[in-house]
Amino acid sequence: EVVLTQSPGTLSLSPGERATLSCRASQSVSSNDLIWFQQKPGQAPRLLIYGASSRATGIPDRFSGSGSGTDFTLTISRLEPEDFAVYYCQQDGNSPNAFGPGTKVDIK
Amino acid sequence: EVQLVESGGGLVKPGGSLRLSCAASGFTFSNAWMIWVRQAPGKGLEWVGRIKRKVDGGTTDYAAPVRGRFTISRNDSENTLYLQMNNLRTEDTAVYYCTAPLWIGAVRRDYWGQGTLVTVSS
Repeated sequence: EVVLTQSPGTLSLSPGERATLSCRASQSVSSNDLIWFQQKPGQAPRLLIYGASSRATGIPDRFSGSGSGTDFTLTISRLEPEDFAVYYCQQDGNSPNAFGPGTKVDIK
Repeated sequence: EVQLVESGGGLVKPGGSLRLSCAASGFTFSNAWMIWVRQAPGKGLEWVGRIKRKVDGGTTDYAAPVRGRFTISRNDSENTLYLQMNNLRTEDTAVYYCTAPLWIGAVRRDYWGQGTLVTVSS
């Protein structure tokens, strides 16, 4: 069973700054199976990145994903006010398709 | 327009049962793998389980905390996904979402319902 850890737990940044979020897997994950979601309070999650690096439809190009094997990264190049939220990684290859615990990006 | 609408949540006593439904529209339901995800109050997302489409075997997989107590099923003729929850525990209290990852060629789109709240309490 693959366990995902995310760091940091909370990232306090100002609008315009760069955010770098890490997702580490307990064993190698196919890049095809690594996903990133964004969730805002009171809302369902929204797909941001699939296949480790493919942006979902309608996602701005300030969001990018990278990585392979056990180490994956979500980068937000310049934070906009609407980007302050919780971000989850997930592997949806072999079951169970666990989520990471999340990284909260909040306003400094 | 793709829509997923969950129903069936509510208050139930520990040890009790509940069946959630997820009514799907706007896409070919029988072609989709369907997933249940839950979120306890103030906590992160937890994958509950999934059911494959019938052409892929229609099989189910579950997270360890619910295996043996929860059952996912589907009715493709009614475009509805189900989650039968038995022997409920207080730690099953959460908003339950159904979700459908859909592929159009190499492009993935995920659709989520609005969620239904299940509260397990005496």
